Amino acid sequence: TQLLEQSPQFLSIQEGENLTVYCNSSSVFSSLQWYRQEPGEGPVLLVTVVTGGEVKKLKRLTFQFGDARKDSSLHITAAQPGDTGLYLCARVQGAQKLVFGQGTRLTINP
Amino acid sequence: DTEVTQTPKHLVMGMTNKKSLKCEQHMGHRAMYWYKQKAKKPPELMFVYSYEKLSINESVPSRFSPECPNSSLLNLHLHALQPEDSALYLCASSQGGWSGYTFGSGTRLTVV
Repeated sequence: TQLLEQSPQFLSIQEGENLTVYCNSSSVFSSLQWYRQEPGEGPVLLVTVVTGGEVKKLKRLTFQFGDARKDSSLHITAAQPGDTGLYLCARVQGAQKLVFGQGTRLTINP
Repeated sequence: DTEVTQTPKHLVMGMTNKKSLKCEQHMGHRAMYWYKQKAKKPPELMFVYSYEKLSINESVPSRFSPECPNSSLLNLHLHALQPEDSALYLCASSQGGWSGYTFGSGTRLTVV
């Protein structure tokens, strides 16, 4: 199993601040997915990145895939309380097995 | 329909009970999955069904028995569970490959 390391594990900031969370591995990814999970719900897919150096934007969220395809980041601009949740990066292994990182638990305080 | 529907949402069962978790999707996805998620941990894969056939069993104890009656339905039969099996059980579906997964809201299982 090729591990995905996420950092930080916990992050608590004030509304309006910017933040970045990271997902790293010693192995090359063919693709990487980011999910957000709210308490009592299943993870919801935010984005899939495939190409090294790729940048994707989803409103105030910016996702970047490293040039070497070993790392990815999620940047949130002007965080809002609705951004609170567990952010998970994940990779597909062997075409059938989605494996998650340990997650970043984000809290945005009003 | 772009949802995965799981029932029941909550389940409390004794260690001698037999119960089943149900999952349904109508997106035409060819792969369906069961995941287990303990508190403050990421989801962990249990089973993968591809084209209605079991393709991956992640060394799950036999007290968990999956079943895929057709391409839209996935069941997880539970028997003689232990309190440590209490968790959120998530069903998901996908088109396979690098496609994103669609997860249900889960069944919160408590074994007493």
